Amino acid sequence: DQQVKQNSPSLSVQEGRISILNCDYTNSMFDYFLWYKKYPAEGPTFLISISSIKDKNEDGRFTVFLNKSAKHLSLHIVPSQPGDSAVYFCAAGLSGYSTLTFGKGTMLLVSP
Amino acid sequence: EAQVTQNPRYLITVTGKKLTVTCSQNMNHEYMSWYRQDPGLGLRQIYYSMNVEVTDKGDVPEGYKVSRKEKRNFPLILESPSPNQTSLYFCATHSGTSSYNEQFFGPGTRLTVL
Repeated sequence: DQQVKQNSPSLSVQEGRISILNCDYTNSMFDYFLWYKKYPAEGPTFLISISSIKDKNEDGRFTVFLNKSAKHLSLHIVPSQPGDSAVYFCAAGLSGYSTLTFGKGTMLLVSP
Repeated sequence: EAQVTQNPRYLITVTGKKLTVTCSQNMNHEYMSWYRQDPGLGLRQIYYSMNVEVTDKGDVPEGYKVSRKEKRNFPLILESPSPNQTSLYFCATHSGTSSYNEQFFGPGTRLTVL
């Protein structure tokens, strides 16, 4: 059973607009969440994280929102830039456990 | 420079020929793990290690072995590779001290088993 779901395999956005990537999870025990970005021929790189005790975390153009009741989180990128074109993975974890559970990823394409 | 290195980066082999993919980190991290990435399946954990001589299965361990004889190295061993192990493999580490366990990934090893 997939515990972390990214239901949109791809997303296309114009430069300057907002990109919204979504992630749903089923395990209510998860207490922190992370987003990773992956370019072709490179490993994933950590982007931003959020604890389950918060509902928002912001870092520059990137903001992650968490809705615990809906078991849903989203990553907002504003404004989107062509260099943001990559695959974005949502991941979830449990405090005290070192493993992460990843979603399948969403490929974001930002066109000029 | 803090980094995770993997070798080889690309490998084409044949069914049944034993191979090892090496992973090395210079960040003195306790925790290391291996993932495979497949189209439509995302990142799935194969094995992980909490410390030297401590390893455990992830979600898809069948057909793989690992060892952690020293802190910096965590090789992935395929004793008898099969075509269904054709995939993109990533090694990852984290310190174990961060609240969010953000993992640092290596550049990946693309394996093709014919």
